[in-house]
Amino acid sequence: SQQGEEDPQALSIQEGENATMNCSYKTSINNLQWYRQNSGRGLVHLILIRSNEREKHSGRLRVTLDTSKKSSSLLITASRAADTASYFCATDALPHNAGNNRKLIWGLGTSLAVNP
Amino acid sequence: DTEVTQTPKHLVMGMTNKKSLKCEQHMGHRAMYWYKQKAKKPPELMFVYSYEKLSINESVPSRFSPECPNSSLLNLHLHALQPEDSALYLCASSQGGGLPTEAFFGQGTRLTVV
Repeated sequence: SQQGEEDPQALSIQEGENATMNCSYKTSINNLQWYRQNSGRGLVHLILIRSNEREKHSGRLRVTLDTSKKSSSLLITASRAADTASYFCATDALPHNAGNNRKLIWGLGTSLAVNP
Repeated sequence: DTEVTQTPKHLVMGMTNKKSLKCEQHMGHRAMYWYKQKAKKPPELMFVYSYEKLSINESVPSRFSPECPNSSLLNLHLHALQPEDSALYLCASSQGGGLPTEAFFGQGTRLTVV
């Protein structure tokens, strides 16, 4: 089941610009994760933000989490052509994830194109 | 070693064939997953193994049969598939044990059913 909705669905920017994509979700969560997927390949984990955190940085990535609005944003600064990919948020949600039966609930993804 | 290795990378099979997808990780992860992904869609969870036991089956048709021979290996046996089963099949692993951690994905098997 999918609970995340991401916007925009597609984003096209020039190299050097910043890219912001948003994710909304419906239920309470343990954490929210962002993944990148290059065309037709596996997903790569980018960053995990816990429900008690509001902001997290990793290199050119900045993630925010607003649990009151049930939303998160991913900012990629100074984008590069190599950032062209699909970006997915995934929530590690309550109450589905009890004990060992953890699973991620995926958003629909944002397709980012960074033009040289 | 932070890799999840999937074989084969590509597979074309007829609707009467039997084939298997394989997945291997050596990170000591105790949770392993099979996902199916259609083009431009998010991954759809199929199965979760936790400590080598099947813990989640997302109502997947029986023509897909998972197997976890040991803590490092995960197989997906395919039989009598339909053309609509053509997709990218992704294997993933995570620490498991109820810990909220990231998932590591393989590069996937691109399956075409003819």
